[in-house]
Amino acid sequence: GNSVTQMEGPVTLSEEAFLTINCTYTATGYPSLFWYVQYPGEGLQLLLKATKADDKGSNKGFEATYRKETTSFHLEKGSVQVSDSAVYFCALMGFGNEKLTFGTGTRLTIIP
Amino acid sequence: GAGVSQSPSNKVTEKGKDVELRCDPISGHTALYWYRQSLGQGLEFLIYFQGNSAPDKSGLPSDRFSAERTGGSVSTLTIQRTQQEDSAVYLCASSFQSPGTRETQYFGPGTRLLVL
Repeated sequence: GNSVTQMEGPVTLSEEAFLTINCTYTATGYPSLFWYVQYPGEGLQLLLKATKADDKGSNKGFEATYRKETTSFHLEKGSVQVSDSAVYFCALMGFGNEKLTFGTGTRLTIIP
Repeated sequence: GAGVSQSPSNKVTEKGKDVELRCDPISGHTALYWYRQSLGQGLEFLIYFQGNSAPDKSGLPSDRFSAERTGGSVSTLTIQRTQQEDSAVYLCASSFQSPGTRETQYFGPGTRLLVL
């Protein structure tokens, strides 16, 4: 079946540091890949997505590239801010399978 | 409405009681999903509706759990004879999903269920 393995947290960084949160997946065929974010006290929001190999999703300074050869979709940001503190979830949706399969989530805390 | 709404936002119940959780999807969204977020299990899929039909119920954990959707809009998730392990945040999402496409799912704020 489909699965997502996500970098264990929590992750604590200083403001303006470089961020990488690793995500790898197992799926048959060509899934779509997503990063969702959950800010404190709020619901899940889509951060970015990619639907085919070599696609790059980007939003709010975050980027992730769909790498089929390494089955990865790592989340990166060049300079994090305190407002980026949240829980980040990597997820996939398989072809012909409409449900999302999520990773365990990574709690990110940015210190001023 | 502007987004997916869920009610109640919080629910405390006693073990053995039945509960109903409601989801109002984004207007015009054909697909509706229920997920559960718990400390031990992370985010798990429960059930998916396309219109009023549920082609995928594979995530429902037991026959105490059921869901329905009426008029292609509102959905209700019912948990009968609640157990303490049912305590979790129940999330609803909706999308413009058509079979074979993979559209973005938009999530509601969730219902936090606590079973005492």
